[in-house]
Amino acid sequence: KQEVTQIPAALSVPEGENLVLNCSFTDSAIYNLQWFRQDPGKGLTSLLLIQSSQREQTSGRLNASLDKSSGRSTLYIAASQPGDSATYLCAVTKGGSEKLVFGKGTKLTVNP
Amino acid sequence: GAVVSQHPSRVICKSGTSVKIECRSLDFQATTMFWYRQFPKQSLMLMATSNEGSKATYEQGVEKDKFLINHASLTLSTLTVTSAHPEDSSFYICSARDIALKETQYFGPGTRLLVL
Repeated sequence: KQEVTQIPAALSVPEGENLVLNCSFTDSAIYNLQWFRQDPGKGLTSLLLIQSSQREQTSGRLNASLDKSSGRSTLYIAASQPGDSATYLCAVTKGGSEKLVFGKGTKLTVNP
Repeated sequence: GAVVSQHPSRVICKSGTSVKIECRSLDFQATTMFWYRQFPKQSLMLMATSNEGSKATYEQGVEKDKFLINHASLTLSTLTVTSAHPEDSSFYICSARDIALKETQYFGPGTRLLVL
């Protein structure tokens, strides 16, 4: 059974700092990995999707990396802003399945 | 971009009543919609996969007779929580998969259910 773990559970940083969020998964036979953002009481917004054959994806100040063999992914946020405050979720899918398996998320607070 | 709506956004009901939650894809067609449940400080857990025109597929441990799913059209799926109890209080989120973009799921804003 696939399990996704995110560390840390919560993170508080001052504005402008670069930061890294971690995600690990137990079964390396994934099809892709996604990072989402969830604001309090809201749905999810997809940030980045990495195919299993890819090593990284970038969008603006966000960079996600994937090391499939070791079961790890990181989300790097450059020059953090208060508007980045949210919970960041990592999720994986397995080949042949559309089902997303989520981690519990990392709650990020960026202080002005 | 693709938008998925949910209605209602929050609902409070008495124990024993049934509650219907709607999930709509507003500007795209979705043959498949997914229903998730999220308890406080927990992961989103997939409850069921809803396919237009056929019966939903439920995850292990999810009672199909308690959580009724109807995917009546390419833009609408409904989840009915029957005979709700306080332990059903949770945040219910749907997602829809665009027919044209097979790998992308778009998520609704969620429905907060509180059963008294």
